[in-house]
Amino acid sequence: DIVMTQTPLSSPVTLGQPASISCRSSQSLVHSDGNTYLSWLQQRPGQPPRLLIYKISNRFSGVPDRFSGSGAGTDFTLRISRVEAEDVGVYYCMQATQFPWTFGQGTKVEIK
Amino acid sequence: QVQLVESGGSVVQPGTSLRLSCAASGFTFGSNGIHWVRQAPGKGLEWVTMISWDGRIKFYADSVKGRFTVSRDNSRNTLSLQMNSLRPEDTAVYYCAKDLAMTYTIDYWGQGTLVTVSS
Repeated sequence: DIVMTQTPLSSPVTLGQPASISCRSSQSLVHSDGNTYLSWLQQRPGQPPRLLIYKISNRFSGVPDRFSGSGAGTDFTLRISRVEAEDVGVYYCMQATQFPWTFGQGTKVEIK
Repeated sequence: QVQLVESGGSVVQPGTSLRLSCAASGFTFGSNGIHWVRQAPGKGLEWVTMISWDGRIKFYADSVKGRFTVSRDNSRNTLSLQMNSLRPEDTAVYYCAKDLAMTYTIDYWGQGTLVTVSS
């Protein structure tokens, strides 16, 4: 199974400041079709997860442009350009290149 | 809008069985793969199983292989998860979630249903 490792596990941030979360996979996420199926999800307290980013850098419908994704191969990053109060929650990376699909441990974003 | 509504969660004893259901609406159910993902209390997300749009392809996590069976009825827009030989470590909120078309990811999730396995 592909192991997904996120850092940091906790990220206290000031409102209006940027935040960054890293995700590293135990093997390349490049699929045989040439795509890289790395997604980022947000889970607000008491809510189900919500898709933010798919295929490394594609924002899902309705996701604010302050969220961006980057990376390649085994190293990926989610950036929030200016953190807002509604961004509080846990963020997960997820790989869908190979079954079983696997998630990172989650990074808790909270306001300082 | 897309809706996925899980049901069937309950408190059950170890070794028993339970069947979860997911009712879908707001999209062409028969066109999408559907997943079950679970989340133990206070823990992260664990992918459990996926069934293809036509029900012919299924994948399972090793932790549930041989005990859980996923199925779907495209005529009724419903998904089921039959869980046998339940263990305390199966205790979790179980989410039904759909594939985003033409790619590999999950775009919409239900609210989840809680399964508690305890004696």
